[in-house]
Amino acid sequence: DAGVIQSPRHEVTEMGQEVTLRCKPISGHDYLFWYRQTMMRGLELLIYFNNNVPIDDSGMPEDRFSAKMPNASFSTLKIQPSEPRDSAVYFCATTGGTANYGYTFGSGTRLTVV
Amino acid sequence: AQSVSQHNHHVILSEAASLELGCNYSYGGTVNLFWYVQYPGQHLQLLLKYFSGDPLVKGIKGFEAEFIKSKFSFNLRKPSVQWSDTAEYFCAVIEGSQGNLIFGKGTKLSVKP
Repeated sequence: DAGVIQSPRHEVTEMGQEVTLRCKPISGHDYLFWYRQTMMRGLELLIYFNNNVPIDDSGMPEDRFSAKMPNASFSTLKIQPSEPRDSAVYFCATTGGTANYGYTFGSGTRLTVV
Repeated sequence: AQSVSQHNHHVILSEAASLELGCNYSYGGTVNLFWYVQYPGQHLQLLLKYFSGDPLVKGIKGFEAEFIKSKFSFNLRKPSVQWSDTAEYFCAVIEGSQGNLIFGKGTKLSVKP
């Protein structure tokens, strides 16, 4: 199993541009989570899906952020327009069944908005 | 709301020293507890987890953690640290068996060779 696959690994973009982060979950995992990690705020949950349906998006900071999961094997997190304060590492994590199994994290996307 | 507190922001130890990292959570009901490790520049990896049974949980790489319900604590321990244990350690909790992981702010461990 290749694990949770995120792309790109690094993204540098100019303020105002649209950014799309991608995540491919482990096959069979029906929960998918998007986290943001910064020095100041640590790990923050942005949104999570169960069976492709968004369950809790209360952590999405603003309307500039949106996430989709069109099928069981793909999710995107989009920021439009991007701002310098969005610079962070964005992690995708997935789990199957209940939370007892623990989450498997992807390698993350390091986003820098200049 | 559920919260997780890790009291130590940065711990510096010499090799072979013993380690204990504190973790306290706020929820009084059934919880699932986890410790994750993040090596420099890498993603989070599961060290160990507790959801029922023996409150002393053994994980990978010689780590263990003890769940003390009366103290709402789940401290991480290792008898003798190595330079390769230099990383950031995150405590996390889930209420019941569903829901999302709530992470502590993390504790950075630096081990001097």
